[in-house]
Amino acid sequence: GENVEQHPSTLSVQEGDSAVIKCTYSDSASNYFPWYKQELGKRPQLIIDIRSNVGEKKDQRIAVTLNKTAKHFSLHITETQPEDSAVYFCAAIGGTALIFGKGTTLSVSS
Amino acid sequence: DAGVIQSPRHEVTEMGQEVTLRCKPISGHNSLFWYRQTMMRGLELLIYFNNNVPIDDSGMPEDRFSAKMPNASFSTLKIQPSEPRDSAVYFCASSFSMANEKLFFGSGTQLSVL
Repeated sequence: GENVEQHPSTLSVQEGDSAVIKCTYSDSASNYFPWYKQELGKRPQLIIDIRSNVGEKKDQRIAVTLNKTAKHFSLHITETQPEDSAVYFCAAIGGTALIFGKGTTLSVSS
Repeated sequence: DAGVIQSPRHEVTEMGQEVTLRCKPISGHNSLFWYRQTMMRGLELLIYFNNNVPIDDSGMPEDRFSAKMPNASFSTLKIQPSEPRDSAVYFCASSFSMANEKLFFGSGTQLSVL
């Protein structure tokens, strides 16, 4: 089945810096790659997603890139703010359900 | 829309007791998923249903875990007997269809087995 690896597990940046989180997946048939943000004590919520027919997608300060040949995708956050501090999960479709990476704890200090 | 509703929010029980977690998906969503979250293993898929039918339960840890979806608006996850290693946050999520769609998560049930 699908296996999703996510790096790094923790990331600390200064406010205003950029943050990049990377994921790899194993199933070449996967065609949907969402990113979820989970604030402390809250539920995961979708922040951006990308489908396999697109190489890049941007929404304000966040962007996702996909390299299907290499089977990896990345989340880019620019001009980070303290409210970006959270755990970020990447995911890929395994069969017909989402399989998640183990998460990246992002800390943005002001 | 109230979103995905889970109950209870917190459950503390003793080893060996039966635990039942409940979930009400968003009306009109055809797929329902149960995930377990721990620090060590992240978000693990336990089981999912499509149109009330279990599709894949390969993530269920062992026979102590069972899940049902008797109708489109209700699902349960049961652990019997519970063990301390079952302590985790259990999330229910629903989506409009089975694949390639946004998942809406419930608030989760924090389970502690003493």
